[in-house]
Formats: sequence, C-alpha cells, structure tokens
Amino acid sequence: SAVISQKPSRDICQRGTSLTIQCQVDSQVTMMFWYRQQPGQSLTLIATANQGSEATYESGFVIDKFPISRPNLTFSTLTVSNMSPEDSSIYLCSFSGTGGLRGGNTIYFGEGSWLTVV
Amino acid sequence: ILNVEQSPQSLHVQEGDSTNFTCSFPSSNFYALHWYRWETAKSPEALFVMTLNGDEKKKGRISATLNTKEGYSYLYIKGSQPEDSATYLCAPMRRALTFGSGTRLQVQP
Repeated sequence: SAVISQKPSRDICQRGTSLTIQCQVDSQVTMMFWYRQQPGQSLTLIATANQGSEATYESGFVIDKFPISRPNLTFSTLTVSNMSPEDSSIYLCSFSGTGGLRGGNTIYFGEGSWLTVV
Repeated sequence: ILNVEQSPQSLHVQEGDSTNFTCSFPSSNFYALHWYRWETAKSPEALFVMTLNGDEKKKGRISATLNTKEGYSYLYIKGSQPEDSATYLCAPMRRALTFGSGTRLQVQP
C-alpha cells in the first residue's frame, strides 16, 4: 500500500474558485510539509503543518491564500483559494520519517496534485 | 534563502554511458543532503540521505559523494539505462528541504 495517498491527482479549475487537496499518511507523523512546483521552477516549500498548532508559512505564502488543516497525525489538507492561472502547479505533500515509525530522516512524498487554472 | 544550484539542467545520453550531476549549496547551517529521483506522475523517490563530510553512498549503479566544507555533492550513474530517465533533485536539509531545480536525464536506447 502507498505510504502517502494524495488527491486529487489532477484537476482543471476555474479562475476564482478554491480547491482542497487531501493527504493521508498510513502511519502517525509529527511534521507534514506542503510543496509546490510551478512550471520550470524548483519544488518550493509552502508551509510546515504540525498537528495541534497553526501551520508555519514560508516567505511569500500566506494563510488566507493557502489555508492548511492538520486535524490528526495522519491527515492534512491544503486549500488553494481564489485561484488564478499563476497557481497552476504541482502540489505535493510530504512528511519526515524522523522519530516516526519508520525512523531515520528520509522525507516521503505523495504523488502530487497537478492543478491547471483556466 | 538557501540557494541550491544543480547542473547541468538537462542531459541526453546513450544507453550504457556513465554520467554525473552536480549539486552546490551554502555549506553553513547544514545537516543533511538529500538526493531524489522524480519520474513524471510519480512520487519523488529518495535515493540518498547524506550527512557526513566525505560521505559516499551507493545504490546499485547510482552513487553519490558529499563535500560539506565546500558545499557540493556529485551524483554518478554508471552504465545508464532508459529506466534511469527522470529528473534528479538535490535538497539540503535544515528545518525543511530546499530543492534545486533538478537535472533532467534522458537515456536513449
């Protein structure tokens, strides 16, 4: 079975709408991360989500645009709000194996959500 | 902002060729260097996590070296195969991964 299940895998969205991406992990993890890759760009960290606290956003990303939920240790969502064509990206969730059931400090990724905003 | 550079941006080789890529990063405040292999429509796959200066890791035909003092890492692929075609990403780790833009490898049969 997959380590991380992420959905939707792909979507075409209308400008001005919002879309929520879900990420389910098959074991309890403390830290989850959300990344995006815009066309031709590097994978860029959006925010770090710890269970029981507000997400920590990187420079250039704000909660109003990318609200994140982390209701328990196996699940997180990222919402892309009021979308514009510039939000067309691959969005990936990930988690750290450090201190978790798998040990070590390998970072595991979902398969990504490919969003196209028209 | 951590500046991570990878070269070359893309590479086309013939099956059987050996190849290598470079990742350079600021050497301060560093505690691990990750290499990933990312095929389209799949999860990025962890290849190596390297922490020690002078570390060398190997996985089949793929190996990597790390120089933390000068801030670079090399990834080597010996005898490239078409299934090695992917984007190879490096990412130093501090509190989270900071990725380079990747090297896109295409291996022609």
